[in-house]
Amino acid sequence: EVQLVESGGGFVQPGGSLRLSCAASGFTFSSFWMSWVRQAPGKGLEWVANIKQDGSEKYYVDSVKGRFTISRDNAENSLYLQMNSLRAEDTAVYYCARVSAYFDYWGQGTLVTVSS
Amino acid sequence: QSALTQPRSVSGSPGQSVTISCTGTSSDVGGYNYVSWYQQHPGKAPKLMIYDVSKRPSGVPDRFSGSKSGNTASLTISGLQAEDEADYYCCSYAGPSYVFGTGTKVTVL
Repeated sequence: EVQLVESGGGFVQPGGSLRLSCAASGFTFSSFWMSWVRQAPGKGLEWVANIKQDGSEKYYVDSVKGRFTISRDNAENSLYLQMNSLRAEDTAVYYCARVSAYFDYWGQGTLVTVSS
Repeated sequence: QSALTQPRSVSGSPGQSVTISCTGTSSDVGGYNYVSWYQQHPGKAPKLMIYDVSKRPSGVPDRFSGSKSGNTASLTISGLQAEDEADYYCCSYAGPSYVFGTGTKVTVL
């Protein structure tokens, strides 16, 4: 059974940093692109970032470029999102998702709240 | 990277059909056959319902169907059931990024 479990969310002040993690199991992690998708409270879904199987390609939505970094550790079956210079508008539930030109499996999400 | 346009809400009685539109551009919906649809119940993670425009994952009822014409994709729910009441989002590959729709709330009357 495919499982994706996010962790690392929490409360942070504007300008602060957080690192999200996603533990994957039940599939060959190193064979898939992976993504982070977020959802602000009461709002729609927004794709945040993608990373290729070997980590050699990474893509970001314009609003997080230069502030967020997606990475992965295939030996640990883990996906990460380093978030720096956080802003109030980054407040959201962050989901990790497996990518196959679509998002076929999702985690339960982790809430990030940016507020003073 | 503008969001795809969906109606804010649609509604129907049990047994009826509803269709949700998803309008993009030639850079996303019109440019690739990689449109997918997600169902999201309150407080839950999204669930894949349709991928590659019209394919259904295993376990998704055949009441759900997808199509595309030009820059507009559509999701049709036939034989509407109470458990179909949820938010629905379209998504398109936009090489190499992805863009989601604005979301549609489906209400079963």
